[in-house]
Amino acid sequence: EIVLTQFPDFQSATPKEKVTITCRASQNIGTSLHWYQQKPDQSPKLLIKYASQSISGVPSRFSGSGSGTEFTLTISGLEAEDAAAYYCHQTSIFHTFGQGTKLEIK
Amino acid sequence: EVQLLESGGGLVQPGGSLRLSCAASGFTFTSYAMSWVRQAPGKGLEWVSSITASGADTFSADSLKGRFTLSRDNSKNTLHLQLNSLRAEDTAIYYCAKVEFSGSGSLDVWGQGTTVTVSS
Repeated sequence: EIVLTQFPDFQSATPKEKVTITCRASQNIGTSLHWYQQKPDQSPKLLIKYASQSISGVPSRFSGSGSGTEFTLTISGLEAEDAAAYYCHQTSIFHTFGQGTKLEIK
Repeated sequence: EVQLLESGGGLVQPGGSLRLSCAASGFTFTSYAMSWVRQAPGKGLEWVSSITASGADTFSADSLKGRFTLSRDNSKNTLHLQLNSLRAEDTAIYYCAKVEFSGSGSLDVWGQGTTVTVSS
């Protein structure tokens, strides 16, 4: 089973700040890595697919990069509405999710 | 509008069974794989099971030890997840999600979830 480990588990940041969340895979998954945002009491929402492909309707401040075993989600110019949990998800071999990163806006 | 509507959740005793359903609308159901993902209270997302567009192949998390069975009725645009031998640790919100392709890929549409509580 492919294990995804996210860093950090929790992050607190201020508006307009740039935030980076890392996802590390236990083996090479190419670019079969996706990112989701989940706000409290809501369903998850797809933010980035295949490591760096943008999703229609998602603000351009969200971007992704990486390949192989190391991936990052970057939020440039943090806004209050970005307070949420963020999850990475691999589909190279079946499916697994990272444990999540909770982002707090000060 | 693309929509997924889950149903069938509820309170069940340990060892019991439930059948979850997911009604899909707004897209060509027969062209896309589908998945179930669950989230225990206060915890992260856990993949449960996926099924290809045709229904010919299903895949499930090893941790479930064969207790859950996924199927689809392409004539009714509906997905079903049969949960057997339920345990307290199966308590969670169960989300139905559309896969972006007929086989595997990102989960581009999610339902609102249905809650399963396993307790005596």
